[in-house]
Amino acid sequence: GIQVEQSPPDLILQEGANSTLRCNFSDSVNNLQWFHQNPWGQLINLFYIPSGTKQNGRLSATTVATERYSLLYISSSQTTDSGVYFCAVQLDMRFGAGTRLTVKP
Amino acid sequence: GAGVSQSPSNKVTEKGKDVELRCDPISGHTALYWYRQSLGQGLEFLIYFQGNSAPDKSGLPSDRFSAERTGGSVSTLTIQRTQQEDSAVYLCASSLDFENEQFFGPGTRLTVL
Repeated sequence: GIQVEQSPPDLILQEGANSTLRCNFSDSVNNLQWFHQNPWGQLINLFYIPSGTKQNGRLSATTVATERYSLLYISSSQTTDSGVYFCAVQLDMRFGAGTRLTVKP
Repeated sequence: GAGVSQSPSNKVTEKGKDVELRCDPISGHTALYWYRQSLGQGLEFLIYFQGNSAPDKSGLPSDRFSAERTGGSVSTLTIQRTQQEDSAVYLCASSLDFENEQFFGPGTRLTVL
């Protein structure tokens, strides 16, 4: 089945810093989503982005389907951004292992 | 309600007992998915339902796991003869149809003693 790899596995930032999270996948996909799992375990939809670029406030995402990767950008990070960020490709219901982000005040 | 709901939110059971976990998808969503997340791990796909088609059971870890979806809406995940390794958070998601944006419920935390 399709492989999904996320990097980095862990990321520690100072509040206000910017970051880029990456998701690589091993085969072409029709769909890709980014989620944030908050410290209480709830998965929150960030982007549904099979291709192209989207922005929502301080967050933006870009998927280059032909090169099999997606990037999630977090600007001016806040402590509430802490948690685990997952990308998921729905062709095979595969989730990456996640990036654990810690934003320190 | 507006979102996916799951019940119970927490379930503690003894090894060997059967448990049933319930998922209410978003109204109008034809696709429903079950996942399992063990402590500190990513999500493991278990099963999905799309409309009236036969479910894709390829992710179920053993024959002790089964799921049904009645009337194309509510789904129940049943684990028979629970084992300690079944302890995890069980998450349900729904989408308008397959390969559409998924929306997750809050999960059921299962602890098998």
